[in-house]
Amino acid sequence: DAKTTQPPSMDCAEGRAANLPCNHSTISGNEYVYWYRQIHSQGPQYIIHGLKNNETNEMASLIITEDRKSSTLILPHATLRDTAVYYCIVRPWNSGNTPLVFGKGTRLSVIA
Amino acid sequence: EAQVTQNPRYLITVTGKKLTVTCSQNMNHEYMSWYRQDPGLGLRQIYYSMNVEVTDKGDVPEGYKVSRKEKRNFPLILESPSPNQTSLYFCASSLSLGGGQPQHFGDGTRLSIL
Repeated sequence: DAKTTQPPSMDCAEGRAANLPCNHSTISGNEYVYWYRQIHSQGPQYIIHGLKNNETNEMASLIITEDRKSSTLILPHATLRDTAVYYCIVRPWNSGNTPLVFGKGTRLSVIA
Repeated sequence: EAQVTQNPRYLITVTGKKLTVTCSQNMNHEYMSWYRQDPGLGLRQIYYSMNVEVTDKGDVPEGYKVSRKEKRNFPLILESPSPNQTSLYFCASSLSLGGGQPQHFGDGTRLSIL
C-alpha cells in the first residue's frame, strides 16, 4: 500500500465543516483512497472511498486532487459525535487479502 | 440494518479455558476477517476467509483457530488462551476483496486473559 501522511490532530467547532487532509503522493493508478474512523475503542467505521472523482455520501464528501496526490475528507456539519481518529488508507482495487493498514490517523476533536 | 455482530463484547477469563468469539454478518458478504488491536501496534490481521470453507492465516495466527461453515458466521476460537492474547478483537466483512469494496467492522470484543 502507498503511504499516507495525515496531521496528528485537528480541532473543529461544532456545526462547522471539518476538513481533514491526507497526502498520498506515491499513489498508483489502480489505488483507491479510503477513509475510516474509529471512535474510542469502537470498531473502525467505513466512511467513504474514491478513485479519482469527488465522492459524496450521507456521511461526508471526498475531494481528490486532479493529480491524485492528496485528498480531503469533509464532514459538512461536524457534531460532538464526530470526535474520533480518522484514517486515510490507499489500497489497490484488486488488493486480494492485503489487510487494511491503519496508520496513526488524525485525531479530530469537535468542540462545543 | 446491515451489520457485523460480535459476541461477547467483553470477557474476562483464565489461562487455558477454551473460548469462542462469534461473528455474524447479515450482508451476504463473501470475505470475513479477524483483527486484533493493541496499543502502539495498530490493527493486525489474525485470520481471514474468502468464502465458505476457505480460510487462511493472517499476520498473527498463532494461538487462534477459525471456521467458516456458513457464509454469515466466522467464529474465532482460542483453544488454550494465554495472557498475551488479552486484546481488543474486531471482526470485519466485505462483499468481496476486489473492486474496491470497503470493509465493515463489528463493535469489538475486549478479551482479558488472567
